[in-house]
Amino acid sequence: DAGITQSPRHKVTETGTPVTLRCHQTENHRYMYWYRQDPGHGLRLIHYSYGVKDTDKGEVSDGYSVSRSKTEDFLLTLESATSSQTSVYFCAISESIVETQYFGPGTRLLVL
Amino acid sequence: RKEVEQDPGPFNVPEGATVAFNCTYSNSASQSFFWYRQDCRKEPKLLMSVYSSGNEDGRFTAQLNRASQYISLLIRDSKLSDSATYLCVATNAGNNRKLIWGLGTSLAVNP
Repeated sequence: DAGITQSPRHKVTETGTPVTLRCHQTENHRYMYWYRQDPGHGLRLIHYSYGVKDTDKGEVSDGYSVSRSKTEDFLLTLESATSSQTSVYFCAISESIVETQYFGPGTRLLVL
Repeated sequence: RKEVEQDPGPFNVPEGATVAFNCTYSNSASQSFFWYRQDCRKEPKLLMSVYSSGNEDGRFTAQLNRASQYISLLIRDSKLSDSATYLCVATNAGNNRKLIWGLGTSLAVNP
């Protein structure tokens, strides 16, 4: 299995609080992604990164920001969490943008 | 219309059965295709890439039909452990290529 970890694995927070999710890889892959997965919507791309300090928006980026200061770490921040951001968040990595993506174990976030 | 469409199922089949899933994609310029498997409450994992010539991996066979814009996955001799959701993935087109994910097809293999 690809070396991808996510932390925390579970989190419960309150509306309006900031939340940061971390993705860490040991594969030295260039591309990293944040997805959310919800019933009826499938996997939706939030943001992705194509290198250190290089990031771009996905299809559901509103309310989220990301940062990548090191190849191995990709952070997803919810500046002010809302109940609509309750979801399962997956990080993924790949060597190029159209190559196979490998996923982390996911973070279950509940915003009350 | 969604860019990648799958029958959500569920497909309920007995052990040993052969089952096939289709997935249609709307963008004729899509270049790369994949099947992923996702177990309940787990992350998606690559099952196989789909090549123009088709490919086979043990009991699993994937085919691409560009003329009709669909890909298929055939599972022979189904096992209980094949029970999962199968996600179809295609790339979008243009310079900003990304993976477009289907919603998945649910398979339950019954004893």
